[in-house]
Amino acid sequence: QVQLMQSGAEVKKPGASVKVSCKASGYTFTSNGISWVRQAPGQGLEVMGWISTYNGNTIYAQKFQGRVTMTTDTSTSTVYMDLGSLNSDDAAVYYCARVGTLTSSAFDLWGQGTLVTVSS
Amino acid sequence: DIQMTQSPSSLSASVGDRVTITCRASQSISSYLNWYQQKPGKAPNLLIYATSSLQSGVPSRFSGSGSGTDFTLTISSLQPEDFATYYCQQSYTAPRTFGLGTKVEI
Repeated sequence: QVQLMQSGAEVKKPGASVKVSCKASGYTFTSNGISWVRQAPGQGLEVMGWISTYNGNTIYAQKFQGRVTMTTDTSTSTVYMDLGSLNSDDAAVYYCARVGTLTSSAFDLWGQGTLVTVSS
Repeated sequence: DIQMTQSPSSLSASVGDRVTITCRASQSISSYLNWYQQKPGKAPNLLIYATSSLQSGVPSRFSGSGSGTDFTLTISSLQPEDFATYYCQQSYTAPRTFGLGTKVEI
């Protein structure tokens, strides 16, 4: 079954870091890049960045530069997103999404989402 | 970053209505425009890519058009399962930014 499976919900204190995983299955992992998208409660979709699962190259949105790190582990077909210096504005659902190769780089497969709560 | 502006932000419609949502990019994005549907508590779902190509499994009542900076999503005959929020996205350059969404309500 073609899917992206994300890790479970997290509760973090302000100033802490959170690491979310995204495990791919059912397709050739290194054929597609992965983007991370977050959605604050009641808000729209915000792209955080992209990672090549082939060579680990990354492009981060300017807003998150210096605070986010995306990595890939081809041995387990898993991508990780690490966000540091959390504050209340980082409370959101975080999604990983596959960048399609036959869909003009649209996000054609999504994880189920990981809720991150930031609270003291 | 390329800014994507959707309108309207919300609309009310009835089953059977024809619905049109527009999306404008802050610079030309050729035909690199995608549309997603999101229902409450669920991940977004790709409907249309490259302006007008229907993703596999998406009903033919959904269609897209446009080029350059101005694009539209049309639902020819609204069905009960279409009440949701719709987002446009440019995939011309990273970061592949989204519009703020259009909520389609009864």
